[in-house]
Amino acid sequence: DQQVKQNSPSLSVQEGRISILNCDYTNSMFDYFLWYKKYPAEGPTFLISISSIKDKNEDGRFTVFLNKSAKHLSLHIVPSQPGDSAVYFCAANNQGGKLIFGQGTELSVKP
Amino acid sequence: KAGVTQTPRYLIKTRGQQVTLSCSPISGHRSVSWYQQTPGQGLQFLFEYFSETQRNKGNFPGRFSGRQFSNSRSEMNVSTLELGDSALYLCASSVRQGLNSPLHFGNGTRLTVT
Repeated sequence: DQQVKQNSPSLSVQEGRISILNCDYTNSMFDYFLWYKKYPAEGPTFLISISSIKDKNEDGRFTVFLNKSAKHLSLHIVPSQPGDSAVYFCAANNQGGKLIFGQGTELSVKP
Repeated sequence: KAGVTQTPRYLIKTRGQQVTLSCSPISGHRSVSWYQQTPGQGLQFLFEYFSETQRNKGNFPGRFSGRQFSNSRSEMNVSTLELGDSALYLCASSVRQGLNSPLHFGNGTRLTVT
C-alpha cells in the first residue's frame, strides 16, 4: 500500500524554466510534508517542508504547495539550474515517528 | 560538525549469510532511523531508535533487526540473506524522536546479495 505516490519517475526541464514535481498521498492523517533531494552515491538531503496548516511555503528558488482537499503537494523550482538535477523524494509524517516516502522523481535540468 | 557516517559503503554477501551495518549519527542527535532504498520503491522505513529503544517499526520480516547503543550509534542486522535484500540501506539521525524533526541521512551502505 503506497500511501505516498510520485507518479512521474522522471522529468526533464530546460535551464532557467520552472520545474514542477508532484506528489499525491492517501492518508488524511498526514500533517507534515517534506521534500528531500538525492544525488547519486549520496544520502538524501532535506530541502523544504510544509505543515498541513499551511498551503504554501517558500525558501529561495523552492516553493512547496499543499492542496489538502486533493491530497496533493507539489514542489516548484524557479529558475531551474543544472545543479538541481537529482532525484527528489516527497515524504509525509503523521506524528507517528515514521516518515513515509514516495518512489522519487528524477529531475534532469538541461543547459 | 561531522555528518551521519555509515560503514561499510559497499558489501557483497551470499544468500543465507547474515550482515551487520553500522551507523554513527550526528553528534547530539539521539534518534536514528533506518531505510531501505530499492529501484521503484523509494525509501521504505525499517525502524527508528531513540534512547536505545525501538520506537517505531516498518513492515519488514523479523530477519531485519537493529539496536542502538548508549552513545546513540546504531547497528542493523539482516539474517538469512535473500536476493531481494539487495538494496541501499540508509541511516538517518535527528535531534529528537519522530514528529517533524528533519532527518539527516548518511551516504548509505550498498548491499549486494548473490
